[in-house]
Amino acid sequence: GEDVEQSLFLSVREGDSSVINCTYTDSSSTYLYWYKQEPGAGLQLLTYIFSNMDMKQDQRLTVLLNKKDKHLSLRIADTQTGDSAIYFCAESMTGGSYIPTFGRGTSLIVHP
Amino acid sequence: GAGVSQSPSNKVTEKGKDVELRCDPISGHTALYWYRQSLGQGLEFLIYFQGNSAPDKSGLPSDRFSAERTGGSVSTLTIQRTQQEDSAVYLCASSLEGLAPLEQYFGPGTRLTVT
Repeated sequence: GEDVEQSLFLSVREGDSSVINCTYTDSSSTYLYWYKQEPGAGLQLLTYIFSNMDMKQDQRLTVLLNKKDKHLSLRIADTQTGDSAIYFCAESMTGGSYIPTFGRGTSLIVHP
Repeated sequence: GAGVSQSPSNKVTEKGKDVELRCDPISGHTALYWYRQSLGQGLEFLIYFQGNSAPDKSGLPSDRFSAERTGGSVSTLTIQRTQQEDSAVYLCASSLEGLAPLEQYFGPGTRLTVT
């Protein structure tokens, strides 16, 4: 079945770049997503990438997709303390109910 | 406009009791999802409602879990005879159906503690 893997923790210094990595197993994944969960809140969609793309940039966020290796990454430039949260990678297919499969989430800790 | 709301925000119950968790999706969203988030675990899919179609219950962990969606809007997740392993945050999400990419809007969750 589908599986999405992420490292559990990442600690960075304020102002540095953060890179959160994700691997997935379903080669028929069409869309890959990054969600952010702040403490005590639900998940919020940050960005997504279609599987025929290899990069997408949105302000401080850069998503890289290596479809051959089934590897997705989220780079946050100039990381701020407000970026401290749990980041979830998810994948889905088009068609049908395409219920996304989520990873366990990476806790990003930004320290001064 | 209003987002997805869930109630209660916190629920403490004794083992063996039944609990009901409520989700109010965004108006007009035809798809509704329930997930469970346990400590250190990802989001575990529980159940999915799509319009008037039969729900996808493939993620429900046991027959103690059930959910309904009345009038295509509000949903209630019921856990009967709660066990300590049911302690988790229960998240509800809604989305517009038939669009890709799928953007799910999540509620803040209900934190369930079974003592």
